[in-house]
Amino acid sequence: SQQGEEDPQALSIQEGENATMNCSYKTSINNLQWYRQNSGRGLVHLILIRSNEREKHSGRLRVTLDTSKKSSSLLITASRAADTASYFCATRAAGNKLTFGGGTRVLVKP
Amino acid sequence: NAGVTQTPKFQVLKTGQSMTLQCAQDMNHEYMSWYRQDPGMGLRLIHYSVGAGITDQGEVPNGYNVSRSTTEDFPLRLLSAAPSQTSVYFCASSTPGTYNEQFFGPGTRLTVL
Repeated sequence: SQQGEEDPQALSIQEGENATMNCSYKTSINNLQWYRQNSGRGLVHLILIRSNEREKHSGRLRVTLDTSKKSSSLLITASRAADTASYFCATRAAGNKLTFGGGTRVLVKP
Repeated sequence: NAGVTQTPKFQVLKTGQSMTLQCAQDMNHEYMSWYRQDPGMGLRLIHYSVGAGITDQGEVPNGYNVSRSTTEDFPLRLLSAAPSQTSVYFCASSTPGTYNEQFFGPGTRLTVL
């Protein structure tokens, strides 16, 4: 079973708009990571947030984590056509294993 | 650095055939893992290794074998391919540690007829 579930499953926005996607998980975690996957490619790490952190920024990315609700959100500001991709959250409990959610497909229209 | 490399990129098998998916990394990472990705789904962990000579099962290990004789290589073997194993397979590596990101290969698209 998957630990993380993303919402929405798909998102279509205009270039310049913000894109927000959410991730919910079931068990206690040590950290949560977001990855991007362009069509036909492998996953690329975007950002990691630790369980004792509430918000983190990296360029146009903003991630929040609410451990009481077991949820996280990824915000991409001022989206570009190049942001078109699938975005996955992945949770890490004890050990090295990452558990991935089903992903959000984002389409940024020029 | 080449990072994580996977071969082949595409493969078509008939039911019952066997094959090995190759994965190599040149970053001296101790941790390596294999995932499969089915349409519309996230990645599911098949097998992983925390170092040479050490492997363990992930979420969906049935039908797959792995071995880790060197730090660099982590091949995935399908002993008797089944149509249910049609998927895209990704290999990943990282340094050990809870807060380390994983680096992914480009994937192998496998079709079993």
